[in-house]
Amino acid sequence: DVKVTQSSRYLVKRTGEKVFLECVQDMDHENMFWYRQDPGLGLRLIYFSYDVKMKEKGDIPEGYSVSREKKERFSLILESASTNQTSMYLCASSAGLAGARTDTQYFGPGTRLTVL
Amino acid sequence: GDSVTQMEGPVTLSEEAFLTINCTYTATGYPSLFWYVQYPGEGLQLLLKATKADDKGSNKGFEATYRKETTSFHLEKGSVQVSDSAVYFCALPTQGGSEKLVFGKGTKLTVNP
Repeated sequence: DVKVTQSSRYLVKRTGEKVFLECVQDMDHENMFWYRQDPGLGLRLIYFSYDVKMKEKGDIPEGYSVSREKKERFSLILESASTNQTSMYLCASSAGLAGARTDTQYFGPGTRLTVL
Repeated sequence: GDSVTQMEGPVTLSEEAFLTINCTYTATGYPSLFWYVQYPGEGLQLLLKATKADDKGSNKGFEATYRKETTSFHLEKGSVQVSDSAVYFCALPTQGGSEKLVFGKGTKLTVNP
């Protein structure tokens, strides 16, 4: 079974703090994703990575950055946390086989971040 | 760009009732279509998918048929159980064979005993 793990289930931070959310997948997947999930808005893509050190902005990248130094790990960074970044953050990965149709994404359990 | 419109909830049913959650899409070509489910306190997981027109995806008693004529991918189950209580998301690639998905806003289903 594919396993995607996230470093914390719950996190409380203060405004202005630098926040790191870590995600690890164990299936050698090429693609990794960071989403945020908010009531009434569904899932929105923050960043996408299709290879080590490669990244692409999603729909709402402002206030976030990412790092992918190793294939299995994808980090989301909030440079200076703000209260409007209080949300559920979900990481996902997909195989990304060349020539394949869109692959299934496998999700971690999520990190509920509260910024005070 | 490609988009998906999903029936808004919440939906509350009694056990053994019939379920339909509507999903319609706008897309270029014929992309794969997905239904994901999120159980309480968990991340999303794939429920079923269809990769071409007229395909039927099925899993755990749920079904959805890829209908290009009506650009729809409605989720159905003949007899729901309490354990089906969850949030359901319809999704498709943002464009063509893109790896990125666009999700509907989700439909929360509650099944009462």
